[in-house]
Order: sequence, then structure tokens, then C-alpha cells
Amino acid sequence: GENVEQHPSTLSVQEGDSAVIKCTYSDSASNYFPWYKQELGKGPQLIIDIRSNVGEKKDQRIAVTLNKTAKHFSLHITETQPEDSAVYFCAASSQSEKLVFGKGTKLTVNP
Amino acid sequence: DAGVIQSPRHEVTEMGQEVTLRCKPISGHDYLFWYRQTMMRGLELLIYFNNNVPIDDSGMPEDRFSAKMPNASFSTLKIQPSEPRDSAVYFCASSRSGSQHFGDGTRLSIL
Repeated sequence: GENVEQHPSTLSVQEGDSAVIKCTYSDSASNYFPWYKQELGKGPQLIIDIRSNVGEKKDQRIAVTLNKTAKHFSLHITETQPEDSAVYFCAASSQSEKLVFGKGTKLTVNP
Repeated sequence: DAGVIQSPRHEVTEMGQEVTLRCKPISGHDYLFWYRQTMMRGLELLIYFNNNVPIDDSGMPEDRFSAKMPNASFSTLKIQPSEPRDSAVYFCASSRSGSQHFGDGTRLSIL
């Protein structure tokens, strides 16, 4: 079955800097890659996703890139703000609707 | 637009007791998922439904766990009898066309 590895497990940046979180997946048939943000006491919230027919997608300060050959995808957050502090999860789907999640990255943005 | 609604938000009970967690998915979504989140194991898929029918329950840890979806607007996850190792946050999510939306979870503590 699918396996998703996520790095780093913790990331600390200064406000205004960029943050990058990377994930690798094992199943070459995976075709859907969402990213979730989880704040304390809340459920994961979808922030951006990408499908395998696209190499990059941007939404304001957030972007995701996908390298199908290498089977890895990354989340890029520019101009980080303290409210970006949260746990971020990547996920991959190799069959209809079922997601496999990475272990998460705790991002801290220091003012 | 109401999101996924879970109840209760917190549950504390003694081992051996029956626990029932409830979920109301987003109207119009045809998939419903139950996840368990722990520090050690991360976010694990327990079971998911499509059009109220269970599709994959391979993540259900053992026979003490059961889930039902009697109609499109309601699902339950039941643990009977409960054990301390069942302590976790349980999330329900729903989707249509891939993007899963999570509730804020039930924090379950089994004493």
C-alpha cells in the first residue's frame, strides 16, 4: 500500500522568512496530493491540493510543487506570519477518495 | 455553510464502558471517513463509507470497534468495551470529488 514520509518533523522560522515542507510517496499510481493545516484543538483544514497532471499550484503565499518522477511533493509558504504556526500534514491518494497521511510538521513562526 | 459536526467534543469514561461518537457530514457529500489521531501513530483511517455503504474497514483495530451510517446525514463510531489504549482524538471527515473536510474531533479519554 501507499506510504508517505514527511520532513522535517519540526520547523522554526523567523517571521517573513519562507518555510518548506517535503513529502515523498511510494505508490507511483498516486494522483492526488492535498496539504492540511491543523491548529490546536481543531481538525485538519485543507489549504491546498494538487493533482498529478499539474507540476505546481499557487494560492497567495502558499504553493505546492510535484515531481512525479522522483515521487515527491513540497509545500512552500512565503512571507510567513505568526498565524501560520500550526501542524501541517501532507497526504497522497492512490485510489478513489482514500488518503494516506504523513506524520506531520510542527511549524513555529517566531515574531 | 455548516462544516462537519462531531459530538461530543470531549468524552471521559471508565474502561469497559460503551462509547458512541457521532458525526454529521456536510450536506451533499457522498463519502464519510472516520480517523483516529495519536502522537505515536499519527492520523489513521479507520473506515470509510460511500453513499452510506462501508467500503473499507481495514483500519478498524479490532472487533470492539464498529461504525454505522444509517442515512446520508449521520454516522456513529462505537467502541464496546472501551480500553485505555483507545484514548485518542477521533475525527470524522466528509468529501465529494476528493477534497476531504474534517470536523473538530472528539477527544476520548478512557480511564
